[in-house]
Amino acid sequence: RKEVEQDPGPFNVPEGATVAFNCTYSNSASQSFFWYRQDCRKEPKLLMSVYSSGNEDGRFTAQLNRASQYISLLIRDSKLSDSATYLCVVRHNTGTASKLTFGTGTRLQVTL
Amino acid sequence: NAGVTQTPKFRILKIGQSMTLQCTQDMNHNYMYWYRQDPGMGLKLIYYSVGAGITDKGEVPNGYNVSRSTTEDFPLRLELAAPSQTSVYFCASSYLGTDYEQYFGPGTRLTVT
Repeated sequence: RKEVEQDPGPFNVPEGATVAFNCTYSNSASQSFFWYRQDCRKEPKLLMSVYSSGNEDGRFTAQLNRASQYISLLIRDSKLSDSATYLCVVRHNTGTASKLTFGTGTRLQVTL
Repeated sequence: NAGVTQTPKFRILKIGQSMTLQCTQDMNHNYMYWYRQDPGMGLKLIYYSVGAGITDKGEVPNGYNVSRSTTEDFPLRLELAAPSQTSVYFCASSYLGTDYEQYFGPGTRLTVT
């Protein structure tokens, strides 16, 4: 089982739609969770951290379910500019260091 | 602030050649990282550094070397390039550790033929 698994997509949605991405992680000791956004042939950029109680940033809502080891990202009122790949990222400690594991990403294409 | 800069943007190497990928950050971040991203794969950590003079291996360090003589610079050296090193290489930095936002450079696209 991969450490971090995401549906690769692509998710093709019309502008204005609501879309949700899921991510599962295998290490129950994982401590921090993030969503990064990566535009085509560009570098990843932090979209938002994911907190235990869930959190919202404008049209974006992130949820964490530790019992099911599952993270989600909901995008409401999709814009053309939301077209990108969304990377689920999980942090856990490995003895003396901590490690980030990146999912392979879910690609979103928003169309007119 | 320029953030994290990387040079070159693109490079084609022949098998067995060597090169250095440059990375510089101007945010006074302590932590710096080198990742590679292969098609359909998540980013894999090659090496990281928690401060000047301190480096450590990540998941996929074989075939690479790093140094960190200053806070700003974290070059990645490829010795004896192999086709398996064809990838996109990203340098990143963060203020402290991995619980902080990582700022990525624009990447270097490397092809080894």
